[in-house]
Amino acid sequence: SQQGEEDPQALSIQEGENATMNCSYKTSINNLQWYRQNSGRGLVHLILIRSNEREKHSGRLRVTLDTSKKSSSLLITASRAADTASYFCATSLRGGYNKLIFGAGTRLAVHP
Amino acid sequence: SAVISQKPSRDICQRGTSLTIQCQVDSQVTMMFWYRQQPGQSLTLIATANQGSEATYESGFVIDKFPISRPNLTFSTLTVSNMSPEDSSIYLCSAGGTGVTEAFFGQGTRLTVV
Repeated sequence: SQQGEEDPQALSIQEGENATMNCSYKTSINNLQWYRQNSGRGLVHLILIRSNEREKHSGRLRVTLDTSKKSSSLLITASRAADTASYFCATSLRGGYNKLIFGAGTRLAVHP
Repeated sequence: SAVISQKPSRDICQRGTSLTIQCQVDSQVTMMFWYRQQPGQSLTLIATANQGSEATYESGFVIDKFPISRPNLTFSTLTVSNMSPEDSSIYLCSAGGTGVTEAFFGQGTRLTVV
């Protein structure tokens, strides 16, 4: 079963704008990861944030984690048409054996 | 990092038949997983493929429907048995993702059952 929800389900923006996607989860986690999927193909890992971290950056990506609210956000700055994809958060559950539980995902469309 | 080759990339199958999907990793990995992604949906974990022992299935998935093999640390197969149109999905193989590290994914197998 899925760990949580993401919003928005779909996001449409213009190139150059920022895109923010949110993820909520239900149980205690070891870490939270964000993945991108282009056109229903394989997933590509973007960034991992540990439960004791609050913010992490990687290039144009900024991820925050609020364990008190059980939520995370992914910000893509200065978006490009090539950022058009589905974005998923995935959590590794504390106390469980090693597996990832994926959120519902956000479909991002960036228009030139 | 790990590179995962998954095949076939897509197939169209008749209902009642079975399809075996292969997943090859370019290095030895402890953990391998199989996911299903129904149209327009997120990924749902089917099972963990354990080397040398039976796979560990998630709730709602059973071995008779989704038998899995893991003969060594670089290879696994998933069979979708006695297929129906409801099995039309993308099936993805994953390696790593131990919970403290990233997971690597194959390109997926897009299955259509007619």
